[in-house]
Amino acid sequence: GQSLEQPSEVTAVEGAIVQINCTYQTSGFYGLSWYQQHDGGAPTFLSYNALDGLEETGRFSSFLSRSDSYGYLLLQELQMKDSASYFCAVLLDSGNTPLVFGKGTRLSVIA
Amino acid sequence: GAGVSQSPSNKVTEKGKDVELRCDPISGHTALYWYRQSLGQGLEFLIYFQGNSAPDKSGLPSDRFSAERTGGSVSTLTIQRTQQEDSAVYLCASSLATRGGYTFGSGTRLTVV
Repeated sequence: GQSLEQPSEVTAVEGAIVQINCTYQTSGFYGLSWYQQHDGGAPTFLSYNALDGLEETGRFSSFLSRSDSYGYLLLQELQMKDSASYFCAVLLDSGNTPLVFGKGTRLSVIA
Repeated sequence: GAGVSQSPSNKVTEKGKDVELRCDPISGHTALYWYRQSLGQGLEFLIYFQGNSAPDKSGLPSDRFSAERTGGSVSTLTIQRTQQEDSAVYLCASSLATRGGYTFGSGTRLTVV
């Protein structure tokens, strides 16, 4: 089976930095994606890592270590609007095979 | 269209009835996926279409679930003889060249009473 582990909830203060971790045990691995989902909304794509290292996109960065089967999403300069659920998802191979999603981390940003 | 469109946005049905959920993907996207999300849970894969290839049905939870994609575009997910455990948000997504990036629709919230 496929297993992705991420914390169920995280709380952080506005303006601070928060890191959401994801460890995975899957039958294959091609890349790691992150999605954001606000309550009642659609998941939206944030980032994708296929190679080890850090990818930065504005206030959001994503990191991957293939040898450790581990990745994280880093959110800087937190804003209230960042309160949402964040999902990591594994792409198992190079084709358009379906992403395997974790159960999500609910981030609450407080003043 | 500009995004992935799903209809209806909400559906309440009686246990035992059949329902059809519709997904209109982004024009030109060859891959189309259906996922299910129960309250506070992650996304559970249901079925995947890629071009003219046979669909990957490995995620369908029972034979009451089926889906088709006509003309490589619009897809319909059908649930027969609905059960209360079918209550969830059904999400459709499409992609062109994945790199892990799907565009999701807003989903259909199905409630079976």
